[in-house]
Amino acid sequence: GAVVSQHPSRVICKSGTSVKIECRSLDFQATTMFWYRQFPKQSLMLMATSNEGSKATYEQGVEKDKFLINHASLTLSTLTVTSAHPEDSSFYICSARVLAGSSYEQYFGPGTRLTVT
Amino acid sequence: GEDVEQSLFLSVREGDSSVINCTYTDSSSTYLYWYKQEPGAGLQLLTYIFSNMDMKQDQRLTVLLNKKDKHLSLRIADTQTGDSAIYFCAESIGGATNKLIFGTGTLLAVQP
Repeated sequence: GAVVSQHPSRVICKSGTSVKIECRSLDFQATTMFWYRQFPKQSLMLMATSNEGSKATYEQGVEKDKFLINHASLTLSTLTVTSAHPEDSSFYICSARVLAGSSYEQYFGPGTRLTVT
Repeated sequence: GEDVEQSLFLSVREGDSSVINCTYTDSSSTYLYWYKQEPGAGLQLLTYIFSNMDMKQDQRLTVLLNKKDKHLSLRIADTQTGDSAIYFCAESIGGATNKLIFGTGTLLAVQP
């Protein structure tokens, strides 16, 4: 159980276009999902917290108009990188929060490699 | 602010034990986690420990927590080549939000 998928796994787009990345919880419902960004050989940086049915909460320094997040259902959150530029090239990873007993666990998707040319 | 530090690299021989260390700064962390990341892949939750525990063992994995020193370690017994990966510790902050702050990651290389 607790499987999270992401689609696409890899995408190459031209500068100025928009790209949508999907994050799905396959066998459970997730009211809260998280979006992270990882640069090569670096750690994960939390971008935003996605809450089902409400606006996402963005971390300091993350442009909400640049990275649009929609969490329209309990199993799907989407991240849209608008007007992408080469500096947006990165590995984007989502996670879904699950209540396990008295604690929360986060299960991560396999990641999406975005390359902007 | 929150800061989680790890050593960058650890090399061990197959069959030996590996110990990966992590220090954190937020004393209000409720849970601390260890994740494994293989090349080009997402993160796999290995184990976690509640902040009022000192030790947790799960098969080959042993987590030690020194809350006074804000030090967390992950010991992998009988390390195998398949354990080669990047290991991230993470602390949970923000109460019910359960935001995770990740460490810098430790690359574990297992030599046959």
